[in-house]
Amino acid sequence: RKEVEQDPGPFNVPEGATVAFNCTYSNSASQSFFWYRQDCRKEPKLLMSVYSSGNEDGRFTAQLNRASQYISLLIRDSKLSDSATYLCVDTRRALTFGSGTRLQVQP
Amino acid sequence: GAGVSQSPSNKVTEKGKDVELRCDPISGHTALYWYRQSLGQGLEFLIYFQGNSAPDKSGLPSDRFSAERTGGSVSTLTIQRTQQEDSAVYLCASSLDNYGYTFGSGTRLTVV
Repeated sequence: RKEVEQDPGPFNVPEGATVAFNCTYSNSASQSFFWYRQDCRKEPKLLMSVYSSGNEDGRFTAQLNRASQYISLLIRDSKLSDSATYLCVDTRRALTFGSGTRLQVQP
Repeated sequence: GAGVSQSPSNKVTEKGKDVELRCDPISGHTALYWYRQSLGQGLEFLIYFQGNSAPDKSGLPSDRFSAERTGGSVSTLTIQRTQQEDSAVYLCASSLDNYGYTFGSGTRLTVV
């Protein structure tokens, strides 16, 4: 089993929609995570951190569910500019990346 | 500098040649990671430096790969006797406090 698993997508949603991704992790000792976004042929950029208390930043909300070992990212009121690949990262030991979920927001 | 700088941005090399990739982290950042990303794939961890501690080399795919970090700052990733499967984007990231790792724009390596 991979340490961090994500549904590759793509998730195709209309502008204004709400979309959510989950990411499962295998190491029960992991305590903190990141969501990064990566645009095509660009480097990953930090979107937000995820700790036990969750995190909200504008239209983006991240949650951690320790019991089921997954983290989630919710995007409200999707914009065309949200189209990207979203990478889930376990920060325990080395940064362990999931393979990403691709989001395509359509006009 | 203001960000993580990697050079060269692109490198084309012949199979069997050695290559060196350079990463200049954000000044003062103690943690430095190397990853590689093949086309359409996720990031594969290669090596991790943290301060003066021994590096975590557990992700290096073979003994043809090595990395060093001089003076706790600049890092060089060396690939000896390159193979076609080494073709990928090699990304470097640095961090001060294990929060908010910043990535460089990567070196796109093509082995022909």
